[in-house]
Amino acid sequence: EAGVVQSPRYKIIEKKQPVAFWCNPISGHNTLYWYRQNLGQGPELLIRYENEEAVDDSQLPKDRFSAERLKGVDSTLKIQPAELGDSAVYLCASSLVVNEQFFGPGTRLTVL
Amino acid sequence: KNEVEQSPQNLTAQEGEFITINCSYSVGISALHWLQQHPGGGIVSLFMLSSGKKKHGRLIATINIQEKHSSLHITASHPRDSAVYICAVPPPGGIQGAQKLVFGQGTRLTINP
Repeated sequence: EAGVVQSPRYKIIEKKQPVAFWCNPISGHNTLYWYRQNLGQGPELLIRYENEEAVDDSQLPKDRFSAERLKGVDSTLKIQPAELGDSAVYLCASSLVVNEQFFGPGTRLTVL
Repeated sequence: KNEVEQSPQNLTAQEGEFITINCSYSVGISALHWLQQHPGGGIVSLFMLSSGKKKHGRLIATINIQEKHSSLHITASHPRDSAVYICAVPPPGGIQGAQKLVFGQGTRLTINP
């Protein structure tokens, strides 16, 4: 069974440029999460979807970040415009049952 | 909010040594997760436990609910065990399981050959 797929794995952009990350969760997983992980810290939840509905976006900086999961499967996370402080690893995870989350490999973003 | 503290933050050891990583949390929980993150960012779930002890290969996880403390042990450590180990707990207030985990800052483990 394929795991959570994310792309790209690495992205380097200049500040003020837009960037988008894509996530394909494990088939059948209705819950999808986007996390941001700064260097030397644990992941922090940005947004959680139940199917196509964003049920928790309280930590998403809505002035520059947006996310969508139109058909309740794949999801994209966008930053526009990117700032230097956005450099981090962006992790996507999915789950079907409580207490079990599967993480993708992450996208390492560097903003110059 | 549940505060999660891990120690040590960095640990370097020689191949074969017995490794212990600790995790303490501030609010009572129903379960605790141990995760492994290799360079490159991907995270793998190692254990989810709510009481006692779990063992998988050379990895052992224990939890003491009363003391709000968990430990991850690695026996006969190997360079391929080098990774960041993260503990995570659900928030207080009854939200179950993985819906909104609170993560520790991670312990960076380096095993030298």
